[in-house]
Amino acid sequence: GENVEQHPSTLSVQEGDSAVIKCTYSDSASNYFPWYKQELGKGPQLIIDIRSNVGEKKDQRIAVTLNKTAKHFSLHITETQPEDSAVYFCAASLRNQFYFGTGTSLTVIP
Amino acid sequence: GAVVSQHPSWVICKSGTSVKIECRSLDFQATTMFWYRQFPKQSLMLMATSNEGSKATYEQGVEKDKFLINHASLTLSTLTVTSAHPEDSSFYICSANPGGGYEQYFGPGTRLTVT
Repeated sequence: GENVEQHPSTLSVQEGDSAVIKCTYSDSASNYFPWYKQELGKGPQLIIDIRSNVGEKKDQRIAVTLNKTAKHFSLHITETQPEDSAVYFCAASLRNQFYFGTGTSLTVIP
Repeated sequence: GAVVSQHPSWVICKSGTSVKIECRSLDFQATTMFWYRQFPKQSLMLMATSNEGSKATYEQGVEKDKFLINHASLTLSTLTVTSAHPEDSSFYICSANPGGGYEQYFGPGTRLTVT
């Protein structure tokens, strides 16, 4: 199967600063990489995703980059706001099955 | 769009009883649904994959006789935890794939507490 590693496990930033979360995967056949935001007691919410034939994707303050050669992808959040505080999970899709990272708890300090 | 609901949102049951959790895709048809389990401050662990009209595929280590999954229609999948024990207490989350793509849309989760 696939092995996804995610760093850091916790991240604190000042409001307005940027936050970067990184993930690596092991199987080069993985072809889809979503990022989810999970608030306490709720289900994960898809915030952005990228397919293996794309290197970068941006949606307002959120961007994802993918380096297929190095097998890593990153989530970038700019101009962070307190409501961005949550746990973020990356995932890699291999044969339509998702393999999740271990999560990053992001705290945005007002 | 792409809304998935779960019912109930939380349930408390006594040890030895069975509990059924429903997962519905509200505005799309889901050819495939997934059931995950999540322990506090941990990641999501895939339990099983279900396709409408066929038997579910369970991950290694998941007891199929204990966690019964029925994908009755293109908008409904159910997970029944049979003879529940306290160690089954967890957060159960379903997701649905609309078909034709890779996306999975997650439900809000069901908190199960077995006393």
